[in-house]
Amino acid sequence: GAGVSQSPSNKVTEKGKDVELRCDPISGHTALYWYRQSLGQGLEFLIYFQGNSAPDKSGLPSDRFSAERTGGSVSTLTIQRTQQEDSAVYLCASSLHLGGNSNQPQHFGDGTRLSIL
Amino acid sequence: RKEVEQDPGPFNVPEGATVAFNCTYSNSASQSFFWYRQDCRKEPKLLMSVYSSGNEDGRFTAQLNRASQYISLLIRDSKLSDSATYLCVVNRGTASKLTFGTGTRLQVTL
Repeated sequence: GAGVSQSPSNKVTEKGKDVELRCDPISGHTALYWYRQSLGQGLEFLIYFQGNSAPDKSGLPSDRFSAERTGGSVSTLTIQRTQQEDSAVYLCASSLHLGGNSNQPQHFGDGTRLSIL
Repeated sequence: RKEVEQDPGPFNVPEGATVAFNCTYSNSASQSFFWYRQDCRKEPKLLMSVYSSGNEDGRFTAQLNRASQYISLLIRDSKLSDSATYLCVVNRGTASKLTFGTGTRLQVTL
């Protein structure tokens, strides 16, 4: 079946521009995560959506970053007034929450490679 | 203390060797544990879940030690293709977000 789909796969833009990254999770997955990863670094958590609950935004690095998840499915991550340090791979993952105290594993998209000139 | 901690390595081992990684977690209420593998410039991919009783998948064995709050991954008969970064993933114990460790890099050599 279809996995997590992210678009665009690559994005090059000038410093100061706004960018919007899209994530289509696996159908039926209630949990959706955004991460970013700089070259040679670990995953940096950005934001987490779970069902209709308020998102966990604790990882967003600044108020230039925001994310939405419409209708509990597609999510967009927006970066306003981009800076060169925003250059990274932005990864989206989704998982199925079965309730209770356990999680199902995350499935990742291929990521969006963002380059700020 | 970080929620999830891993030795970044690198672990350099010869082909055929056995290698083990540990990952410690801080929340004693954590319930879900996973190992992921990430190849260079690729997205992380699930390697295996970690069950309380321990579990094995071919050359890979995962174990959970709740008393000491760590999970382990053992790789037997290492192959060149095992070279990657291995990420430990733990939930917070309230079925909230899963947290990744920074990963342990493994390099298997001839």
